[in-house]
Amino acid sequence: QSVLTQPPSVSGAPGQRVTISCTGSSSNIGAGYDVHWYQHLPGTAPKLLIYGNTNRPSGVPDRFSGSKSGTSASLAITGLQAEDEADYYCQSYDNRLSGSVFGGGTKLTVL
Amino acid sequence: EVQLLESGGGLEQPGGSLRLSCAASGFTFSSNAMTWVRQAPGKGLEWVSTISSRGDRTYYADSVKGRFTISRDNSKNTLYLQMNRLRAEDTAIYYCAEFVGTGYFQHWGQGALVTVSS
Repeated sequence: QSVLTQPPSVSGAPGQRVTISCTGSSSNIGAGYDVHWYQHLPGTAPKLLIYGNTNRPSGVPDRFSGSKSGTSASLAITGLQAEDEADYYCQSYDNRLSGSVFGGGTKLTVL
Repeated sequence: EVQLLESGGGLEQPGGSLRLSCAASGFTFSSNAMTWVRQAPGKGLEWVSTISSRGDRTYYADSVKGRFTISRDNSKNTLYLQMNRLRAEDTAIYYCAEFVGTGYFQHWGQGALVTVSS
């Protein structure tokens, strides 16, 4: 059971928009800690997608955006492309556990 | 270009020990905290441990506290994870990553596979 809760899977057709939610609690996201997002293809190094809730590292397309409100955060992907098919993870800090925490991951399927 | 290269993985029996290394290049290693994250087969990412830039502060997940030790050698640009009293549930791909800013992992290695089995 992950500290941060994500849907196990989402899907969308090419060109569509999908969102992935990340729900936490008062000891992590709700405590004001930033949420970060990663894209992970099995067998490869995870890639930082969004940091500090809404910021994109250089090289990440603006089709990817992040938001945060209360005890939750979301990752939105617009203009879905086949290469977006991957696992996506949210991450934050938890002051009760005194360490970083991840969501369980969401598998994105591009139909 | 930032590069992180893990090594030292392999097959070990329950109760045994392994030491992972992560060789860093392409950035000022001594300026950044570093971390280990693992992914067990069929599971998600799990934070394991973080060490400060100077190595004077360390943090561990409850699942490895007392068994694993993180350390670094800034003169060699290398991060380590000493894993003792290994358990089957420690079987995973172990990634080293640069820990920066407001607590995110900026660059990651390709991972080292650790298998604990008799």
